[in-house]
Amino acid sequence: ETGVTQTPRHLVMGMTNKKSLKCEQHLGHNAMYWYKQSAKKPLELMFVYSLEERVENNSVPSRFSPECPNSSHLFLHLHTLQPEDSALYLCASSQEMGRQPQHFGDGTRLSIL
Amino acid sequence: EDKVVQSPLSLVVHEGDTVTLNCSYEVTNFRSLLWYKQEKKAPTFLFMLTSSGIEKKSGRLSSILDKKELFSILNITATQTGDSAVYLCAVALNAGNMLTFGGGTRLMVKP
Repeated sequence: ETGVTQTPRHLVMGMTNKKSLKCEQHLGHNAMYWYKQSAKKPLELMFVYSLEERVENNSVPSRFSPECPNSSHLFLHLHTLQPEDSALYLCASSQEMGRQPQHFGDGTRLSIL
Repeated sequence: EDKVVQSPLSLVVHEGDTVTLNCSYEVTNFRSLLWYKQEKKAPTFLFMLTSSGIEKKSGRLSSILDKKELFSILNITATQTGDSAVYLCAVALNAGNMLTFGGGTRLMVKP
């Protein structure tokens, strides 16, 4: 139990669907992160939120839309995804933005049909 | 472009063996290097290294950083099947302290 909970654990969706991934942290941290982990590629940072404000967007396509309503919750809204978006999406949190270590959730395994 | 390279890509050993995993990096404004273990789910934090030559140890695992030669090693002694996992190396930079990850080393320990 890492203190970072992600739901759902698995998600299969068509390219025209809209879905959301959820992340909740119970560690009292102020920063939250979304990462993408594709097969045979390193973990890629997608978004960073610090105190509910987005501070980093690593050239992520607009079909991924993050939302951080408070410092404990982070969402990733998905729409019109492509097959190459199939991957493991990991959420992480840290005490402050950029402060290490980051604590990871178990991830959502996303498959796009 | 910042780069973190791990070797080997994969490794198969038998229980009781000792393994050494490598992580080399080429980055601007290095701040720290971290090791994570990833089984089938969340990467779990192992070590954070900021100073050269100071070994960090936790049970059978140990790690050391060489900031002159720009690499780190992770040693696991007396390996067990529970050590089977992907081991991830990441480097944090001074600018923003965000993590850049290597591709990982997949370790399989056979009984």
